[in-house]
Amino acid sequence: EAGVVQSPRYKIIEKKQPVAFWCNPISGHNTLYWYRQNLGQGPELLIRYENEEAVDDSQLPKDRFSAERLKGVDSTLKIQPAELGDSAVYLCASKPSGGSDEQFFGPGTRLTVL
Amino acid sequence: GESVGLHLPTLSVQEGDNSIINCAYSNSASDYFIWYKQESGKGPQFIIDIRSNMDKRQGQRVTVLLNKTVKHLSLQIAATQPGDSAVYFCAENYGGSQGNLIFGKGTKLSVKP
Repeated sequence: EAGVVQSPRYKIIEKKQPVAFWCNPISGHNTLYWYRQNLGQGPELLIRYENEEAVDDSQLPKDRFSAERLKGVDSTLKIQPAELGDSAVYLCASKPSGGSDEQFFGPGTRLTVL
Repeated sequence: GESVGLHLPTLSVQEGDNSIINCAYSNSASDYFIWYKQESGKGPQFIIDIRSNMDKRQGQRVTVLLNKTVKHLSLQIAATQPGDSAVYFCAENYGGSQGNLIFGKGTKLSVKP
């Protein structure tokens, strides 16, 4: 079974530029998460989806960050415009509805803003 | 605010020794705890989890202990191997099936051959 897929793996941009990250969760997983992980820190939740509905986006900086999961499968996280402080690893995770609370993580996208 | 923290940021052990990684949590309502291992350049990988109605759970070479009285969680790794070198995160969930995982800062485990 394929794991959570993320692309790109690495992205370097200049500040004020837009950037987008893509995530394809494990097949059948209805719940999808986007996390941001700063260097030396644990992941911090940005947004959680149940199917196509964003059920918790309280930690998403909505002035510059947006996300979508239009068909309830893959998802895109966008930053526009990017700031220096946005440099981090952006992780996507998924889990099936019901059953275990274990979340399955993708490899992440490492963003560097210059 | 509520937080999950780790007592030690780094831990160095000799290959073959047992490792113990500790974690303190502050939310008494947390009912689910999980340990993840993260190797450089990779996403967190599940190790073991435990619910609040248990105080011990064992896996392959790993054991998680939960002490709700002092809000303490530990991960024990038996016969530590070089491949165990990574950053270990504990996380808690106090929202049930609708809740989210709150991660601590992580402990870096280094295994000396």
